[in-house]
Amino acid sequence: ETGVTQSPTHLIKTRGQQVTLRCSSQSGHNTVSWYQQALGQGPQFIFQYYREEENGRGNFPPRFSGLQFPNYSSELNVNALELDDSALYLCASSLWGWDGYTFGSGTRLTVV
Amino acid sequence: QQPVQSPQAVILREGEDAVINCSSSKALYSVHWYRQKHGEAPVFLMILLKGGEQKGHEKISASFNEKKQQSSLYLTASQLSYSGTYFCGARGGGGGADGLTFGKGTHLIIQP
Repeated sequence: ETGVTQSPTHLIKTRGQQVTLRCSSQSGHNTVSWYQQALGQGPQFIFQYYREEENGRGNFPPRFSGLQFPNYSSELNVNALELDDSALYLCASSLWGWDGYTFGSGTRLTVV
Repeated sequence: QQPVQSPQAVILREGEDAVINCSSSKALYSVHWYRQKHGEAPVFLMILLKGGEQKGHEKISASFNEKKQQSSLYLTASQLSYSGTYFCGARGGGGGADGLTFGKGTHLIIQP
């Protein structure tokens, strides 16, 4: 079975710009979650998508938005980038409900 | 509220045992455990559900005390490959839409 793949692996953006990160779910998984991981910290929940709709959200502002596609792949969009948005962004797929996540290797975003 | 993990760091010799604890101030429905090596994605180890159900790797054991909102991960006869940062992730709601709230992690170093 394929794992979770994320692209790009690294990205450098300027403050105020917009960025789109992409994620392909593990085969058979129907739920995608996005997490932000600052250096030395645990991942923080951004939001979750199930059946192409956002059905759970953490404490992140509306400039963080996303999409899930019919093939369960997903995008994370961040508008008006701030320096504090610099972090590792992790995508995790799961089978709805009660199974553990399969995480991708992440996208390292640096905002300068 | 972020779960509190203890200890923050531990150094072991190969073959020794370790216990990592995770404590939450709010009622929990499930606890997840993940291991993350430097520069890599977190890897699923175990999920413990309210009511006693567990899913995870055969060589990993853990407990979940629902009354105390605490979970412990038991690593026995540690191997060099066990090194990494261990995160517990807590989910309070019974609905699958809630993301996980992760602790700050426990750094485990296994020496030969």
